Amino acid sequence: GEDVEQSLFLSVREGDSSVINCTYTDSSSTYLYWYKQEPGAGLQLLTYIFSNMDMKQDQRLTVLLNKKDKHLSLRIADTQTGDSAIYFCAESIDNQGGKLIFGQGTELSVKP
Amino acid sequence: ETGVTQTPRHLVMGMTNKKSLKCEQHLGHNAMYWYKQSAKKPLELMFVYNFKEQTENNSVPSRFSPECPNSSHLFLHLHTLQPEDSALYLCASSQALQTGTHYGYTFGSGTRLTVV
Repeated sequence: GEDVEQSLFLSVREGDSSVINCTYTDSSSTYLYWYKQEPGAGLQLLTYIFSNMDMKQDQRLTVLLNKKDKHLSLRIADTQTGDSAIYFCAESIDNQGGKLIFGQGTELSVKP
Repeated sequence: ETGVTQTPRHLVMGMTNKKSLKCEQHLGHNAMYWYKQSAKKPLELMFVYNFKEQTENNSVPSRFSPECPNSSHLFLHLHTLQPEDSALYLCASSQALQTGTHYGYTFGSGTRLTVV
């Protein structure tokens, strides 16, 4: 079945780069997403990447996709304390009408 | 505001009460979802509705009863809940679930439910 795995915690210092990793199993995934959840809030779509791309950059965010290894990463440059949140990776399952399968979330802690 | 509104934001209820959670979107979406998020646990998909029809029920206990009267509104009716049902309940919507389409989900801010 479909499965999305993420490490649970990441701690970085303010100003450093953060890299959050994700692996997925469904080879038919067409889109992959990164969501951010701040404390007490819902999930907010950060960025997404189409599976025929291997990189997408959006300001401080860089998404890298290795389709062969089914590995997705989110790099946040110049990490700020406001980036502290839980980050969810998700894959879109083509044969289920685009239903999203979410990872467990990675809690990013940014220390001043 | 994301375009998906959940009410109430916080709810405390006794185990014998009956209450309802409401979710509303005016994004023109046709698929709606209920998720449960407990502390230290992954997101759990509870129910999926596509064009008002329930397409998924992930073995959710019958004390949770969803209702989708139209594509813009989704309810979760609660009765005789247990303390372990305390969690953040998130509603999401997307354009539709159709083969060959891929849309991200838009989430509401959630209802923080405490069962006492």
